[in-house]
Amino acid sequence: DQQVKQNSPSLSVQEGRISILNCDYTNSMFDYFLWYKKYPAEGPTFLISISSIKDKNEDGRFTVFLNKSAKHLSLHIVPSQPGDSAVYFCAGGGYGQNFVFGPGTRLSVLP
Amino acid sequence: DAGVIQSPRHEVTEMGQEVTLRCKPISGHDYLFWYRQTMMRGLELLIYFNNNVPIDDSGMPEDRFSAKMPNASFSTLKIQPSEPRDSAVYFCASSLALGRDTGELFFGEGSRLTVL
Repeated sequence: DQQVKQNSPSLSVQEGRISILNCDYTNSMFDYFLWYKKYPAEGPTFLISISSIKDKNEDGRFTVFLNKSAKHLSLHIVPSQPGDSAVYFCAGGGYGQNFVFGPGTRLSVLP
Repeated sequence: DAGVIQSPRHEVTEMGQEVTLRCKPISGHDYLFWYRQTMMRGLELLIYFNNNVPIDDSGMPEDRFSAKMPNASFSTLKIQPSEPRDSAVYFCASSLALGRDTGELFFGEGSRLTVL
């Protein structure tokens, strides 16, 4: 049973446009969420996080939105750049719980 | 700090051979995690340690897999005997805490295992 789902295995976006990556979770105990970015042949690196007491967190071009009632979060990248092309993992966790990762979405930003 | 260090970066072996993957976590991090990345399942948690003690190994696929953490600065993941379906990238990660704002995971660069 996948506790964290990323239903789009891949996404292609034109440079300069908005990229929206979606994530759904089933575990109602999750109260903290992370997004990680992974380039080929490298380890995942932390991108942005959000606590369940918020519904939005912004860091430069990256914004994460959380809809607790729908158990859904999304990562918005505006504007998208070719260097954003990577695999993006969503993860959910809570106090005393290890983070559970989704299967990832491969983003391709086309020049 | 140099970050999480894993070795080897690449390992090619034949079915039935023993494979040992190594990890040095970030100094001061109390938690160490072993993940496996596959196309089908993404990042899959195998086992994690807290203060060198294994806490949850429910993700370890079979008895062929074992992990140890003899001290705070070193951990191994061993597969014996290895099988072709074990081919994947194995990541080690460490963190200060679990699941919260101080629980950000720092990953190593991974060990790509190919079992022929």
